[in-house]
Amino acid sequence: QLQLQESGPGLVKPSETLSLTCTVSGGSISSGNYYWGWIRQPPGKGLEWIGSIYYSGSTYYNPSLKSRVTISVDTSKNQFSLKLSSVTAADTAVFYCARTGANSFLDYWGQGTLVTVSS
Amino acid sequence: QAGLTQPPSVSKGLRQTATLTCTGNSNNVGNQGAAWLQQHQGHPPKLLSYRNNNRPSGISERFSASRSGNTASLTITGLQPEDEADYYCSAWDSSLSAVVFGGGTKLTVL
Repeated sequence: QLQLQESGPGLVKPSETLSLTCTVSGGSISSGNYYWGWIRQPPGKGLEWIGSIYYSGSTYYNPSLKSRVTISVDTSKNQFSLKLSSVTAADTAVFYCARTGANSFLDYWGQGTLVTVSS
Repeated sequence: QAGLTQPPSVSKGLRQTATLTCTGNSNNVGNQGAAWLQQHQGHPPKLLSYRNNNRPSGISERFSASRSGNTASLTITGLQPEDEADYYCSAWDSSLSAVVFGGGTKLTVL
């Protein structure tokens, strides 16, 4: 059974860079046919897609976040990562990683990790 | 700001049928169809259907999806208490080269 697990600091200071890693187990990130994505959900609000990456390194980003987002992949560790720069309190959210089929539907999700932006 | 439009809330009685809608445009829902996700409070979303009416393994047949033009629908029959949750639609937007979500519909089972 495929499993995804987010990891990273739960507290980030304003203007700093948020960094999270998603570790994939039960399957290979290099198996092809799937993108690997990040989604966030502010407390009490809806889902927002951040971006996704293919094992080759090809990426797609949310246009509204593109200037601050970098997603990378490490196939040797079966992990992919998110960096979100210049964070503010508005970036406080539960961050999820997920597998994306045909780069359109998210079929396996991590449990999510809450990241709070505060000094 | 959500890219797809969903009604904020729907209320139906136990064992009744609920139909949730998701409206987009020809670049997203009207192009490749929509996926539907269910999210219970405090849990990650769970995929219910994709590309209009493909159900992942283990998803009840009480959940069925369809599309008409730029509007996707999720129909839930025989409503149960455990169906009370937030439901989101998503789709690939070919003009944005991005996944877009609806704002979510809170389903209440009375």
